[in-house]
Amino acid sequence: KAGVTQTPRYLIKTRGQQVTLSCSPISGHRSVSWYQQTPGQGLQFLFEYFSETQRNKGNFPGRFSGRQFSNSRSEMNVSTLELGDSALYLCASSLGSSGAYNEQFFGPGTRLTVL
Amino acid sequence: GENVEQHPSTLSVQEGDSAVIKCTYSDSASNYFPWYKQELGKGPQLIIDIRSNVGEKKDQRIAVTLNKTAKHFSLHITETQPEDSAVYFCAASSTQGGSEKLVFGKGMKLTVNP
Repeated sequence: KAGVTQTPRYLIKTRGQQVTLSCSPISGHRSVSWYQQTPGQGLQFLFEYFSETQRNKGNFPGRFSGRQFSNSRSEMNVSTLELGDSALYLCASSLGSSGAYNEQFFGPGTRLTVL
Repeated sequence: GENVEQHPSTLSVQEGDSAVIKCTYSDSASNYFPWYKQELGKGPQLIIDIRSNVGEKKDQRIAVTLNKTAKHFSLHITETQPEDSAVYFCAASSTQGGSEKLVFGKGMKLTVNP
């Protein structure tokens, strides 16, 4: 079974630009969560999507947004990029069944550098 | 909200030694505690997890323990090998209406010297 895939793997942008990252979950998984990883803050939860609906959200500004498609693929968008947005962006997929915790499996991440 | 503390932040051991990573959490509603291993240039890989109705779980050379009263959990790696060198993260989560949000510790860099 194929794992979680993320594209692109690397991105370089300049301040003020916007960026869209893509995540394809494991087949059959309906939940996709996004995390930001930086050396200073570690892994921080951005948001989770399930059945095309945002189910949970972390403490990030509105410049960070996402969506999920009917095939469970998800995209994350960051507008008006700032230098501090440079990070590894990870997505994780899980079955998403309610009533019990579902293991989350991570993709390799997209390394975003903002100049 | 939940807060997860992890220590130590770095650990260097000789091949064959044991390694222990300790984490504490703050939210008594948390009921799921996974451990992830992250190698350079890769995403975190789930290596073992434990749920709040279990006190200990073992899988070959790794074991996790959970003390709900004290709100702490630990990862034990025995007979370490150079390929165990990586950054290890603990995390905690509670299932809220099916929504899943992991809160991670800051990670521990383990170096196993041959």
